[in-house]
Amino acid sequence: DAKTTQPTSMDCAEGRAANLPCNHSTISGNEYVYWYRQIHSQGPQYIIHGLKNNETNEMASLIITEDRKSSTLILPHATLRDTAVYYCIVGPHSGNTPLVFGKGTRLSVIA
Amino acid sequence: DAGVIQSPRHEVTEMGQEVTLRCKPISGHDYLFWYRQTMMRGLELLIYFNNNVPIDDSGMPEDRFSAKMPNASFSTLKIQPSEPRDSAVYFCASSSSGLAGGYEQYFGPGTRLTVT
Repeated sequence: DAKTTQPTSMDCAEGRAANLPCNHSTISGNEYVYWYRQIHSQGPQYIIHGLKNNETNEMASLIITEDRKSSTLILPHATLRDTAVYYCIVGPHSGNTPLVFGKGTRLSVIA
Repeated sequence: DAGVIQSPRHEVTEMGQEVTLRCKPISGHDYLFWYRQTMMRGLELLIYFNNNVPIDDSGMPEDRFSAKMPNASFSTLKIQPSEPRDSAVYFCASSSSGLAGGYEQYFGPGTRLTVT
């Protein structure tokens, strides 16, 4: 079973920041937080991951609370192409273990 | 690199027929995963391989499902006989252990299977 809880859906206006929350209250000390997204009819795509520090890359920023029980994925300037299902996953620091997908958050970016 | 390649992209077959799905992982990747996605069950792992050896097949639903990886550049997922409830999108993903451990799985475009 997925170890994370995410809202079922969210809307965001185009050009605004999209903030996607995730609760992972049972995360263990050596587990990372990963975010993937799935655009309609495509395979999931890696976005970002982190352990306890905030992380940023060209796609997004990841903010992890100090107690590591929750995190927020931030898309700074959402575009229509960011409309997708976003999955928050916790797991070891390795892409070599199976990903356990929950239901994710369906983000709709609205013009 | 062309990424993970899956074929066919779409497959429509009749109940009882054999179905073979194919996957070519990214060159140099030593892990390969097969996932299945349905509306009811979401994305779920079926089986994964390391260096062509199956590591965990506990997600394979029934004996009708089998997977092989004869070499580092090719894997198949076979369903025989197929049933309507097997209709789903099947994804193949690969990753690399590498020196840094790796953290990203690369997914193929999927095969949409419809069994009538």
